Amino acid sequence: AQKVTQAQTEISVVEKEDVTLDCVYETRDTTYYLFWYKQPPSGELVFLIRRNSFDEQNEISGRYSWNFQKSTSSFNFTITASQVVDSAVYFCALSGAGGTSYGKLTFGQGTILTVHP
Amino acid sequence: DTEVTQTPKHLVMGMTNKKSLKCEQHMGHRAMYWYKQKAKKPPELMFVYSYEKLSINESVPSRFSPECPNSSLLNLHLHALQPEDSALYLCASSQDLQLRGGEQYFGPGTRLTVT
Repeated sequence: AQKVTQAQTEISVVEKEDVTLDCVYETRDTTYYLFWYKQPPSGELVFLIRRNSFDEQNEISGRYSWNFQKSTSSFNFTITASQVVDSAVYFCALSGAGGTSYGKLTFGQGTILTVHP
Repeated sequence: DTEVTQTPKHLVMGMTNKKSLKCEQHMGHRAMYWYKQKAKKPPELMFVYSYEKLSINESVPSRFSPECPNSSLLNLHLHALQPEDSALYLCASSQDLQLRGGEQYFGPGTRLTVT
């Protein structure tokens, strides 16, 4: 069975602070994929990043960066110099690469990020 | 263009009504998904279509009936719903089930209220 845990239910920061959203996963698949999605108040889930299990390179995209560590089964997301527009619910998700895992995203419970001006 | 569109944006229906939710994508994707999302919860998978065939049904009650008329369109027919079915219904698509882990792109959702 697959499981994604986002231990932080809610985080509140002031603009320009850095913030890290934690994600820990469990899977028995040797090949798997990890994702982060952003859900602003409008409701649409916005795809942010995909990571393959065999690629542990960290990634930076503007103010966003992701730290993937297989040894600790973690895929953490950092926003540098946060802005009010970053306020949203952020979901970490996992998909396997075998059998009945195809087509199924296992989501974490989400972290509500509020950035205050 | 990574756009998935959904209509209507909002829908209010009585428990005896029949209505349909529509989803469309023009990215050439061959897998399409329906999710249900309650407030403060993650999306829950309902159905998956792959190459226009139903691939996954997550034991969804028969009052929800999916349809995939062609590779770009996905419908969800609703009949005799219950108030607890009120939720945000999200459609998503991916290139296929396997490529890039089934990387999914979501539409804006239909906010459904059952009275």
